[in-house]
Amino acid sequence: GQSLEQPSEVTAVEGAIVQINCTYQTSGFYGLSWYQQHDGGAPTFLSYNALDGLEETGRFSSFLSRSDSYGYLLLQELQMKDSASYFCAVLKPYNQGGKLIFGQGTELSVKP
Amino acid sequence: NAGVTQTPKFQVLKTGQSMTLQCAQDMNHEYMSWYRQDPGMGLRLIHYSVGAGITDQGEVPNGYNVSRSTTEDFPLRLLSAAPSQTSVYFCASSLTGTGGTDTQYFGPGTRLTVL
Repeated sequence: GQSLEQPSEVTAVEGAIVQINCTYQTSGFYGLSWYQQHDGGAPTFLSYNALDGLEETGRFSSFLSRSDSYGYLLLQELQMKDSASYFCAVLKPYNQGGKLIFGQGTELSVKP
Repeated sequence: NAGVTQTPKFQVLKTGQSMTLQCAQDMNHEYMSWYRQDPGMGLRLIHYSVGAGITDQGEVPNGYNVSRSTTEDFPLRLLSAAPSQTSVYFCASSLTGTGGTDTQYFGPGTRLTVL
């Protein structure tokens, strides 16, 4: 089978740094993506790692280690608007169906 | 561009009724998919399509049918609704679906309740 594990919820204060982890049990995928979802609305794309290492996009960074089956999303200088759910996802190759598989999501609460 | 649109936004059905959830995109994307989202369950893939005329099953396909007669449209059909199908349904599309940098664009969702 294939699964992605994330913490169900994380709490942090405004201005702090928070890391949301994603561990997976799947093989043969293109890379690890991260999506943000506010209040049950449409998920939106945040970041993607095709290769091992760190990818930085403004206040958000994402990391992947295929050897450790592990990735994380790092949010810096937290703002109240960052309170949302965050999902990691892997995209299976086209010859394995090209399916995008999501983790169960982490609800981030940012406190003043 | 309107992006990915879904109709209706809300729907209440009785057990056994049938209905079709509509999804359309105007970005000429090849890859389209349907997810359902239940509390604590994340997004689960129901069906997907890699192009017009091609569909395949995802993780939770039972009780749902799809077709893809055009690039733009990817309707999801519930043949005989059951309370277990109460959920929020999201449609998504991407250019090709074959690479991780191929961003998935999600519609606003359809909130379905089956009584």
